[in-house]
Amino acid sequence: DIQMTQTPSSMPASLGERVTISCRASQGISNYLNWYQQRPDGTIKPLIYYTSNLQSGVPSRFSGSGSGTDYSLTISSLEPEDFAMYYCQQYDSSPWTFGGGTKLELK
Amino acid sequence: QVQLQQSGAELAKPGSSVKISCKASGYTFTSYYISWIKQTTGQGLEYIGYINTGSGNTNYDEKFKDKATLTVDKSSSTAFMQLSSLTPDDSAVYYCARSTTIPYFDYWGQGVMVTVSS
Repeated sequence: DIQMTQTPSSMPASLGERVTISCRASQGISNYLNWYQQRPDGTIKPLIYYTSNLQSGVPSRFSGSGSGTDYSLTISSLEPEDFAMYYCQQYDSSPWTFGGGTKLELK
Repeated sequence: QVQLQQSGAELAKPGSSVKISCKASGYTFTSYYISWIKQTTGQGLEYIGYINTGSGNTNYDEKFKDKATLTVDKSSSTAFMQLSSLTPDDSAVYYCARSTTIPYFDYWGQGVMVTVSS
């Protein structure tokens, strides 16, 4: 199975700050990488698919990039509703696997 | 609007089974797969498998092949997951999620907490 490692596991940040979350795969995944947000109430929403494509309705302050084994999610200017958990997910090779999550916390 | 409404929390005894549901609305049910994902504090998010809601074909992650059984009732646009031979390790929140043939989950249910305890 492909292991997905997210760093950091938690990140204190301030409103308006630019943050980047990293996701590293144990082998190359050819950009088959999605990002999700999980809110404190457990609701999970899609953010980005195939590395850099923004889900409809997701604010443009979210962006994704990467290639090979290394990928990232960037939020350009944090809003209050962005403080949540974020997960990456690869779909290059079954079983599809998720990163361990990054908790974005208010500093 | 698209919604996946899951059934309520379950409390089950070790060795028993539970069957949880995921009722879809707001789209053509058979045009999308339904996948199931397990979330625990220790293991994070784990992919269980999917069901092709049109054909009924299923695909399971090896780890869950003997644990989960996925079915569908097209008449009610509902997908089901039965978990059998429950142990405390099966205690988790279980999500259903929609996708096409590409495993990008664009809508998720609200999650069902399953607690296995004697």
